[in-house]
This record gives sequence, C-alpha cells and structure tokens, in this order.
Amino acid sequence: EPEVTQTPSHQVTQMGQEVILRCVPISNHLYFYWYRQILGQKVEFLVSFYNNEISEKSEIFDDQFSVERPDGSNFTLKIRSTKLEDSAMYFCASSNPGQGIPNYGYTFGSGTRLTVV
Amino acid sequence: GNSVTQMEGPVTLSEEAFLTINCTYTATGYPSLFWYVQYPGEGLQLLLKATKADDKGSNKGFEATYRKETTSFHLEKGSVQVSDSAVYFCALSDLGGFKTIFGAGTRLFVKA
Repeated sequence: EPEVTQTPSHQVTQMGQEVILRCVPISNHLYFYWYRQILGQKVEFLVSFYNNEISEKSEIFDDQFSVERPDGSNFTLKIRSTKLEDSAMYFCASSNPGQGIPNYGYTFGSGTRLTVV
Repeated sequence: GNSVTQMEGPVTLSEEAFLTINCTYTATGYPSLFWYVQYPGEGLQLLLKATKADDKGSNKGFEATYRKETTSFHLEKGSVQVSDSAVYFCALSDLGGFKTIFGAGTRLFVKA
C-alpha cells in the first residue's frame, strides 16, 4: 500500500536554528498538508498546499514557517528560527487521487518528532 | 467556524465489550466526516469516512453514521479487542477539503 514517508524521524535542534522537515507524499496525490501534535494531544492544522501554492494556513503558520515542493516529489516544511514551543510531532499528509472533491481522507506519514532545546 | 467535539477519555473496556465514542460537530454546509486512529508511536490512520448525510462508514468492525439532524458521527464497535487500544480522533472537512479539523482525541484502553 502506498505510504507517505517523512524524514528524519527525530530531530533535535537548538533554539533559534532553522530546521527543514521532509516528506515524500503519495505519488499521484495532489493535495499536501502539514499538521502538528504537541505531547500526543490535539492534532493542529498548519497548512495545505495544492498546485504549487498554499491553499489555506492556520494562525500557527506565521512568517517563521514556509513550505516548498522543490522537485515534484518532496514536500518540505521549514521553520526559520525555532522556539521552544515548536517542539512537537509534525505530520505530513497527502490526499486525493483526482476525484473532484479533494477530501476522501488523508494518508499520514509516521511523523517527525522535533525537539527544540 | 467549524469544530468537532468528542467525548473525553480515557475509555477503559474489557475485551469483547461494546464500544461507543461520541462525536458531534458544528459546520456550515455539508462537511465530510472521518474517524482516524493513532496507535502508540505511530501516525494517524484513516479508519472510516462518510461524505453525506445518512452515510454509514465502516471498517475493521467499526461503524459510524453521519447524522445531520443531530450533527453527530458516533463511533461504535460491537466487540473490542486488546489490539484496538489506541487514540481515536473524530474529524471533519468542508467540501473544499483544504483543511481537516480534528477533535481532541479519545484514548481507548482494552483489557484482556
């Protein structure tokens, strides 16, 4: 079964450093997402991406965050200057094999645990 | 705005017991509704979905019916197993689908 792949599985970074979290979505999916989960709690929406641009973003997704699809297969989330409160599990997801309505459910990756020290 | 409310956990059941996890939603229009499951140390997996009123989603013995009149999408299973121990998230997405909103999650423990 097709998978969404995320790397690294765990990243530790110092406060103020830049981090890039990487994702390879399912190849025929057209919609891509980033979510985060702090301490196994609520799953929070960050951003959705379609047709090489951001479709929607949350208030969490401020100027410190950016997303990119640099080569047609990878989908990255960059945090420019990390803060302690950015420590969380970050999940990438993709959806939609082109059925018109974009959401018949997401396929999530296994996540990257980001620890900011 | 759109929101999802699900029952607080944890829910602790004995094996073969009947499971209900309540979920209600607030949304404009006609959202799609989902249940996702998260096993320890893993990402979220889509468990089942319903895209219109009166649809019943089902998978692995779990069921949920999209009830527009009560704005609910309760998850049920007739006989739980130890392997069902996980966190269950109710979620909704509007027709545009660019954002899915998740409930707070309900942790289920099943004892042998």
